[in-house]
Amino acid sequence: EPEVTQTPSHQVTQMGQEVILRCVPISNHLYFYWYRQILGQKVEFLVSFYNNEISEKSEIFDDQFSVERPDGSNFTLKIRSTKLEDSAMYFCASSESVQGIGEQYFGPGTRLTVT
Amino acid sequence: GQQVMQIPQYQHVQEGEDFTTYCNSSTTLSNIQWYKQRPGGHPVFLIQLVKSGEVKKQKRLTFQFGEAKKNSSLHITATQTTDVGTYFCAGPLNAGNNRKLIWGLGTSLAVNP
Repeated sequence: EPEVTQTPSHQVTQMGQEVILRCVPISNHLYFYWYRQILGQKVEFLVSFYNNEISEKSEIFDDQFSVERPDGSNFTLKIRSTKLEDSAMYFCASSESVQGIGEQYFGPGTRLTVT
Repeated sequence: GQQVMQIPQYQHVQEGEDFTTYCNSSTTLSNIQWYKQRPGGHPVFLIQLVKSGEVKKQKRLTFQFGEAKKNSSLHITATQTTDVGTYFCAGPLNAGNNRKLIWGLGTSLAVNP
């Protein structure tokens, strides 16, 4: 069964450093998402991406964040200058639905630890 | 702003007991989705409800969407240890491109064998 993959599984970085989290969505999916989940808390929407541009973004997704689909398979989330409060699990998801939001398939996540 | 609330936040049951989690939205939803997240895992899609008053079943799980499309529930009959995890409901933001899911806080279910 096709699945969303994410690398790395765990990233440790120092405050102020840039990080890039990578995702490979399911190949025939058209919509891509990034979420974050602080330990034990709810899943928070960051951004959705369609047709090579951001479709929606949350108030969390400020100028420090950017997303890119550099080729036909990867979907990346960049945090330019990490803060302690960016420590969380980051999930990538994809869906194929054209109308509205359909089933979203989540990757296993990248645990980001900012020290 | 638009919010999705879930109760209870935690539920501890004996294996074999039933379990219900409730989801309430501050606004009418076009649809509602339910996800399950096992401890240490990622959210896994369970179901999407679209129609007013819709009821769907998956084995021991029963999902309902309220008539006003503002609330939903997930009921598990005769819980098993494999049901352990956090159950989230999520609904799309009623604005913009409608591609942003608003998530509830989740209900964490613990099952005693």
